[in-house]
Amino acid sequence: EAQVTQNPRYLITVTGKKLTVTCSQNMNHEYMSWYRQDPGLGLRQIYYSMNVEVTDKGDVPEGYKVSRKEKRNFPLILESPSPNQTSLYFCASSLSVGDSSYEQYFGPGTRLTVT
Amino acid sequence: KQEVTQIPAALSVPEGENLVLNCSFTDSAIYNLQWFRQDPGKGLTSLLLIQSSQREQTSGRLNASLDKSSGRSTLYIAASQPGDSATYLCAVQDAGGTSYGKLTFGQGTILTVHP
Repeated sequence: EAQVTQNPRYLITVTGKKLTVTCSQNMNHEYMSWYRQDPGLGLRQIYYSMNVEVTDKGDVPEGYKVSRKEKRNFPLILESPSPNQTSLYFCASSLSVGDSSYEQYFGPGTRLTVT
Repeated sequence: KQEVTQIPAALSVPEGENLVLNCSFTDSAIYNLQWFRQDPGKGLTSLLLIQSSQREQTSGRLNASLDKSSGRSTLYIAASQPGDSATYLCAVQDAGGTSYGKLTFGQGTILTVHP
């Protein structure tokens, strides 16, 4: 089944403890990105990757890191999480971008709570 | 900067009604527009993708239209059912700018269909 998977689905952690949220897709998509969803602010892009070893900042990159060593994986790293990073996180992927026919697919979400 | 607005913010209807959800966007330079469904605490499910050159797309009881020049899209749901209850999100992929592939989302319409 074609899908985007994220792990963990739920995570409660403490301020300053490094964590990684994994994202994997099995559709051979070149483009991957991360969003966070917050009440009243909607979905905002954190980082994106056009292809392996090519990443760039989205609208809210502060406090996050990403890497794209393999085409299928795009982990989101929080080096020193803070309470304002408590949010619902989504990974998305697309065959490519810059063409109107390319649909974006989203993972099931990771609910992160930082205390 | 692209802005996406969805009206109404919430809608409660009896089963069987035909519904119209509205989405407007400020910059008509887009590649495509996607409608998503989000169930509480869950991921985003893509419902329909309308390419910038298209006027409408249909899937089952759903029909989405796009008027790119006026910056508007509507999602029409025929014969609504309680299982349609969810938040519906509209998102556009900008053709301009430097954040490739970024989707700009509206705040969503919360739909409740009661038996």
